[in-house]
Amino acid sequence: KAGVTQTPRYLIKTRGQQVTLSCSPISGHRSVSWYQQTPGQGLQFLFEYFSETQRNKGNFPGRFSGRQFSNSRSEMNVSTLELGDSALYLCASSPRVERDNEQFFGPGTRLTVL
Amino acid sequence: SQQGEEDPQALSIQEGENATMNCSYKTSINNLQWYRQNSGRGLVHLILIRSNEREKHSGRLRVTLDTSKKSSSLLITASRAADTASYFCATAEEHNQGGKLIFGQGTELSVKP
Repeated sequence: KAGVTQTPRYLIKTRGQQVTLSCSPISGHRSVSWYQQTPGQGLQFLFEYFSETQRNKGNFPGRFSGRQFSNSRSEMNVSTLELGDSALYLCASSPRVERDNEQFFGPGTRLTVL
Repeated sequence: SQQGEEDPQALSIQEGENATMNCSYKTSINNLQWYRQNSGRGLVHLILIRSNEREKHSGRLRVTLDTSKKSSSLLITASRAADTASYFCATAEEHNQGGKLIFGQGTELSVKP
């Protein structure tokens, strides 16, 4: 099976712009989660989608949003970018949504905000 | 917010030696997982241990879990240069169904040939 794919891999934006990141989960996986990784804050959970519904949400401002499509592909959007949004954004899919929920991660999208 | 604290933050050993990393967490959990990350890339799942398990093995990996102390350890035996990476523990909280994981800050392991 193909792994989790994320596009684009690298992105440079300026403050105030908005960005959309895309994630295609492993075939058959219906749960998709997003994480932000920065040197200062580490890995932080953004949100999780299952069957096109947001199941969990982390402590991020409303500028961060996401959605999931009927084919389980997911997008996340960040509006009004700030310098602090520079990070590696990781998407993960899981075949299960309860208990043994091991995550399969994509390679990430490296976002730089100038 | 980070749930886990990992110790040590960095570890440097020689090939063939064992590496032990520790993780502590704060809340009740369904399971605890360990992941590896090579140089700013995606994370790779290593092993999952459920809250009712105390020890688990997978190849050269041994994980222990002490829910009374809210701590876990990952032992990598007979380390290789290819084991050089950052290692993260992650917890699935008991009250939280679904895919949300809370990660520790990670341990940077360097294995010198």
